[in-house]
This record gives sequence, structure tokens and C-alpha cells, in this order.
Amino acid sequence: DIQMTQSPSTLSASVGDRVTITCRASQSISSWLAWYQQKPGKAPKLLIYKASSLESGVPSRFSGSGSGTEFTLTISSLQPDDFATYYCQHQTFGQGTKVEIK
Amino acid sequence: QITLKESGPTLVKPTQTLTLTCTFSGFSLSTSGVGVGWIRQPPGKALEWLALIYWNDDKRYSPSLKSRLTITKDTSKNQVVLTMTNMDPVDTATYYCAHLLYSSGWFFVLSWGQGALVTVSS
Repeated sequence: DIQMTQSPSTLSASVGDRVTITCRASQSISSWLAWYQQKPGKAPKLLIYKASSLESGVPSRFSGSGSGTEFTLTISSLQPDDFATYYCQHQTFGQGTKVEIK
Repeated sequence: QITLKESGPTLVKPTQTLTLTCTFSGFSLSTSGVGVGWIRQPPGKALEWLALIYWNDDKRYSPSLKSRLTITKDTSKNQVVLTMTNMDPVDTATYYCAHLLYSSGWFFVLSWGQGALVTVSS
């Protein structure tokens, strides 16, 4: 089973900050990675698929990059609506990264 | 518009079998590349993929839970059913039904149900 490890587990940031979340796979997964955003009490929402493809309707401040074993999700300018928990997924999910208000 | 809704018991006793039904609309499980899966999330914890079924009836299970899970589909009713045997309090979680897209041996979740909280307690 391929394991997905995210870092950091928690991230404190301010509105307007550039934020980067990392996801590492235990073996190469090419570009087969998705990113999701989850807010408390809600189902997750797809942001990025195939490592760097932006899902329709997702703001362009979100971007994904990487291939092989290392991937990143970047939010170019953090907005109030972006404070949430983010998960990467190959088959299994990463443990999540909570983005908190600094 | 794609919708998925989970239904089933909110409370089960330890050792019982859980049966959850996902009823969906807005897509067909007969369409190539489409799948439906189940993902759960214990309170305050991360997402855990459980099982999925594809348009061609290919089924995949989480290796750690494979012996306890069965997934089936009824394409005519737009339903997917998950059964999980021998429930334990650690299985307490919100169970999500999900609309999947398959691509070269990989899947990702396009749409999610609202989730159903299942509590395991005597």
C-alpha cells in the first residue's frame, strides 16, 4: 500500500500570505494525485487532480505541482474562505493539513 | 446536477453488520470511467478510503479492511451498497459516498455525499 504523508500538520497564516503544503508518496505515483479542501462539518471538495489540473470553478489562487513522490499545493494569496483542512490523495489520503488563522 | 445521499442506521451495536446505501443521481454507473466509492472519517481524524466499484463491476477494497467489506451496485436503481461486518467502536465515523472518475488505474473524487454519522456502541 502506498502511504501519503503531508507536512505540516498545522499551518498558521494570515490573509494574503502565500501558503505551501507538501505531500510525499512512499513510492512513485507519477502525477496521480488529487487535493481536497474540507471545512468543519462539511464533505471535502476537489481542488486539483492529476497533480496540477485545476477543477472547474476553483479559484486560480490554488495551484498544484510535482510528480513522482513529492507534490505541493500552493495558495498564492490566502483568503478568509481558505481556512480549512487540506488532504492529498493517491488511493489513500494523507493525514491532512489544517490551515489556521495566525 | 450530481447528488449522492447516504442512508442507513445511525447506531449499531458491536459485532453487528453495517449496511449503507448510496443513492445517486446526475450520472450513470454504466458510463465508462465512472465509479462510486465509500470513504469514512472518524471524529476529528483524517479521511480513510474503504471501497469502490467501477462501471465494469471491478471492485477494490482497502487492504486493511478487505475481509470485512462488500460493495455492490444496482445500476437500474442508481444505488451502491456497502456492508461492513463485525462492527467495533473504532468504526464510529462519518461515512461518505463518492462519485469517482477512473483514469489509468487511478481514481479521484469528483463529488461527495453529505455524509452519514454511524456510531458503534452497545
